Amino acid sequence: DAKTTQPTSMDCAEGRAANLPCNHSTISGNEYVYWYRQIHSQGPQYIIHGLKNNETNEMASLIITEDRKSSTLILPHATLRDTAVYYCIATNNAGGTSYGKLTFGQGTILTVHP
Amino acid sequence: GAVVSQHPSWVICKSGTSVKIECRSLDFQATTMFWYRQFPKQSLMLMATSNEGSKATYEQGVEKDKFLINHASLTLSTLTVTSAHPEDSSFYICSARYGNLAYEQYFGPGTRLTVT
Repeated sequence: DAKTTQPTSMDCAEGRAANLPCNHSTISGNEYVYWYRQIHSQGPQYIIHGLKNNETNEMASLIITEDRKSSTLILPHATLRDTAVYYCIATNNAGGTSYGKLTFGQGTILTVHP
Repeated sequence: GAVVSQHPSWVICKSGTSVKIECRSLDFQATTMFWYRQFPKQSLMLMATSNEGSKATYEQGVEKDKFLINHASLTLSTLTVTSAHPEDSSFYICSARYGNLAYEQYFGPGTRLTVT
């Protein structure tokens, strides 16, 4: 899996957009970018993933640069409940029982304040 | 959405005893289950991958004789921490995958193990 680099922590005001960057400059062509988050003392929660096109779902948007060396997760209207550790992971999405393992880095601690 | 449960949610045991943690997929069949460990203020570390009906594959540095994993059915995997010691105190999280792709998995809520 390609190494990912994220800022250690970020702050965001409630109601504003939270933009979380991730650097994955060594990502290979068949590796997807995944985002998970972990609220304190809970299991991780899947947010979104993408290969090269921008993606949007009910939780967030994922913007991937054209060279795929970095991406940004956007929470359009952050709430207090979005306070969590956000993990950016690059992994091979190929089939097979041993592929697609998730290797978690240190992530970004996002604090949403009133 | 799909639900993965873990039991117990927290457990305290004495040093030298063994403790079993269950991971269940409640509304889907999981071909693969993963076990993670997370120490305070650290990230999740993958311990092992288990496929139903076969032996688990352990990550480098994880003692397979100490962390026994059984995946006897498509909805249940168990992790047994044998001869637990205080340094085994951690947050243990499982995930259950219903397909072969990385995003086709759900995480359990975790089990907090404290060894005294």
